[in-house]
Amino acid sequence: QKEVEQNSGPLSVPEGAIASLNCTYSDRGSQSFFWYRQYSGKSPELIMSIYSNGDKEDGRFTAQLNKASQYVSLLIRDSQPSDSATYLCAVILSGSARQLTFGSGTQLTVLP
Amino acid sequence: GAVVSQHPSRVICKSGTSVKIECRSLDFQATTMFWYRQFPKQSLMLMATSNEGSKATYEQGVEKDKFLINHASLTLSTLTVTSAHPEDSSFYICSARRLAGGLDEQYFGPGTRLTVT
Repeated sequence: QKEVEQNSGPLSVPEGAIASLNCTYSDRGSQSFFWYRQYSGKSPELIMSIYSNGDKEDGRFTAQLNKASQYVSLLIRDSQPSDSATYLCAVILSGSARQLTFGSGTQLTVLP
Repeated sequence: GAVVSQHPSRVICKSGTSVKIECRSLDFQATTMFWYRQFPKQSLMLMATSNEGSKATYEQGVEKDKFLINHASLTLSTLTVTSAHPEDSSFYICSARRLAGGLDEQYFGPGTRLTVT
């Protein structure tokens, strides 16, 4: 089992819809979770960090964390074509030296 | 937001030469920086963890004598690719760890695209 798993996609949604991206992790002791966005040919950009169970909202983005289910998700409301990118879920595993462990990424396309 | 810069953004060098890449945290101090490599259509691969004032910790399979890392200050880490070969051509990205306001986050630089001819 991979340490961090994401639906590889690709995921396509129409403009204005909600895009839902999912991630599961295997290390029950993990405490820090992140979503990054990476456009083709560019470096990752931090969208959201989340550390506690529940929802965390920032603009059109909402991260959801459920530690009991070892599940973290990202919702993008009112999706725009400019949101088309690869979304990376990252987890800091317990016992690590704060290195990020990434999922394989989900490629999102928002159709105009 | 936190800003991390890298220089150069793009470099072409001849086989056998060395290339130095700089990573700077512009508006925060970073005791820890990380170096990654990414090949086309592949995931980020962590190469090493760099702590200010101490030796870098390299991931398994990464040659420490080939990829020299120096983290001499709280805002600067450098990666030197020594005796570069065409197979070293890749996208090199650094990230810097920022601790502020109860948050512990990592911000990536824009990356350096290395081509070895």
